[in-house]
Amino acid sequence: EIVMTQSPATLSVSPGERATLSCRASQSVYDNLAWYQQKPGQAPRLLIYGASTRATDIPARFSGSGSGTYFTLTISSLQSEDFAVYYCQQYNNWPPSGTFGGGTKVEIK
Amino acid sequence: QVQLVESGGGLVQPGRSLRLSCATSGFTFSDYGMNWVRQAPGKGLEWVALIYYDGSHEYYADSVKDRFTISRDNSKNTLYLQINSLRAEDTAVYYCTRGGVECGGGSCFAAYWGQGTLVTVSS
Repeated sequence: EIVMTQSPATLSVSPGERATLSCRASQSVYDNLAWYQQKPGQAPRLLIYGASTRATDIPARFSGSGSGTYFTLTISSLQSEDFAVYYCQQYNNWPPSGTFGGGTKVEIK
Repeated sequence: QVQLVESGGGLVQPGRSLRLSCATSGFTFSDYGMNWVRQAPGKGLEWVALIYYDGSHEYYADSVKDRFTISRDNSKNTLYLQINSLRAEDTAVYYCTRGGVECGGGSCFAAYWGQGTLVTVSS
């Protein structure tokens, strides 16, 4: 089973600053990697898929990069509504699975 | 618009069974692979199971194999999750998710999520 590891667990950032979140896979998932944002009491929301493609209506300040085993999510200038928990997920085609990372909480510094 | 509405959760005693449902609308259900994802209170997301668009293949997380069964009824646009021999560690919000159009009908990211249904396992 593929294991996804996110770092750091918590990231303290001031509004307007840049945030970089990391996600590592225990084996190559090619570009089958998605990022989600979750706010308290809400279902997660898709931000990025295919490692770097923004989902519909996602602001350009969110960007994803990487392939194989190492991926990053960058938020270029944090807005108040961006403070949340972020998860990565691999959805490798074979064997089919959808393992999530443990999450990174982005909090106000 | 795409809608996913889960139901069937509640308070259940350990060892009992439960069937969750996810009623869908706003898209052609039979075109998409569907997943169940769960989240224990205060914890992260855990992928549980995937079923292909036509029901031909099912895949499970190791942690739930042999107790969970995912299924679908394409004539009713509904996804199901049968959970047997419930344990305290199955306590979680269970989300149904739909894949993106880019993936065909198999393994995919979760483009759409329901609001979830809470399952609490306790005596």
